Amino acid sequence: DTEVTQTPKHLVMGMTNKKSLKCEQHMGHRAMYWYKQKAKKPPELMFVYSYEKLSINESVPSRFSPECPNSSLLNLHLHALQPEDSALYLCASSQDYLGLYGYTFGSGTRLTVV
Amino acid sequence: SQQGEEDPQALSIQEGENATMNCSYKTSINNLQWYRQNSGRGLVHLILIRSNEREKHSGRLRVTLDTSKKSSSLLITASRAADTASYFCATDAVDSGGSNYKLTFGKGTLLTVNP
Repeated sequence: DTEVTQTPKHLVMGMTNKKSLKCEQHMGHRAMYWYKQKAKKPPELMFVYSYEKLSINESVPSRFSPECPNSSLLNLHLHALQPEDSALYLCASSQDYLGLYGYTFGSGTRLTVV
Repeated sequence: SQQGEEDPQALSIQEGENATMNCSYKTSINNLQWYRQNSGRGLVHLILIRSNEREKHSGRLRVTLDTSKKSSSLLITASRAADTASYFCATDAVDSGGSNYKLTFGKGTLLTVNP
């Protein structure tokens, strides 16, 4: 299995909702990442988990809460989002935090906040 | 802040022609990577070049890296309509705190290959 699987592919949520994005990989990768991408912009790093521990939080608002239950799973919990949080959320993994062999990205979750 | 800057922002060519995209970056890097993204979809890793390498090939792709100029180029030869996509360079480097590696993307080049 050489894929990163993200679910759901599309999500529409209200500003008072609580939802979660899920990311899964079975490549034995020990680093996992969340990126946010707005339309016609490059992906921007949000969080990095290395060996299931949070190693980088790019000053992301607390309405985004990451969780890494085990080495194969990465969640992003969403609460009280704003319309400007609408974006494509990408999950990625790499063998380790050094990224020496590149990163594998999922196909993303398209989030719309209404 | 973005590490990489791609040039041009958009490129339109005919099938069969070669496409060259350039990327400049600001700080020392561990490696530089190129990714392709079809409209609104996930990123596909194309090629990785390490800081001690100068050139790398993969199929119709050729990447060069000049660390003295902090720049890289991606050449796609004999382009096809299916190559139409956005192409991003990304630099893997230690963050400002000095203890974590981060992959930071440039703004991307939108390549259109006309049949």
